Amino acid sequence: KAGVTQTPRYLIKTRGQQVTLSCSPISGHRSVSWYQQTPGQGLQFLFEYFSETQRNKGNFPGRFSGRQFSNSRSEMNVSTLELGDSALYLCASSLAGSSSYEQYFGPGTRLTVT
Amino acid sequence: LAKTTQPISMDSYEGQEVNITCSHNNIATNDYITWYQQFPSQGPRFIIQGYKTKVTNEVASLFIPADRKSSTLSLPRVSLSDTAVYYCLVGSPMDTGRRALTFGSGTRLQVQP
Repeated sequence: KAGVTQTPRYLIKTRGQQVTLSCSPISGHRSVSWYQQTPGQGLQFLFEYFSETQRNKGNFPGRFSGRQFSNSRSEMNVSTLELGDSALYLCASSLAGSSSYEQYFGPGTRLTVT
Repeated sequence: LAKTTQPISMDSYEGQEVNITCSHNNIATNDYITWYQQFPSQGPRFIIQGYKTKVTNEVASLFIPADRKSSTLSLPRVSLSDTAVYYCLVGSPMDTGRRALTFGSGTRLQVQP
């Protein structure tokens, strides 16, 4: 079974631009979560989508948004990029209704804002 | 998710058993204890999850005392490839409002030859 895939793997953007990151979950997984990882703040939860609906949201400004499609693929968008948005963005998928905290993470997208 | 406290770093040698303890004094009745492993520039990887007593899989063992206020991840006979950051998480996975994983600072394990 293929793992979680994220595209692109690396991205360089300029302050003020916007960016869209893509995530394809493991087949059959309907829950997709996004996380931001930086050296200073560590791993932080952004949001979770299930059946095309945002089910949970972390403490991030409205510049960070996401969506999920009917095939469970998800995208996240960051508008008006700031230098502090430079980070590794991780996507994770899991089985809906699971009694486990087992989430499967993708390799991440390394975003650099200059 | 309940707040967790882990050692910042640990050192070990190949072939030794490593025990990483996590404190979670305010764990709730429905909370489970989960451990993740992360290598540099990769996403975290689920290792093990437990509720009470002892859980063992092909990778590690998880020991949870009766009061559940702490837990210990045990890695038998570590190798250089076990060098990574290990995160302890506590929460109730069935609570859809709390399915967001909250990672603490983790424990950086360095295995020496």
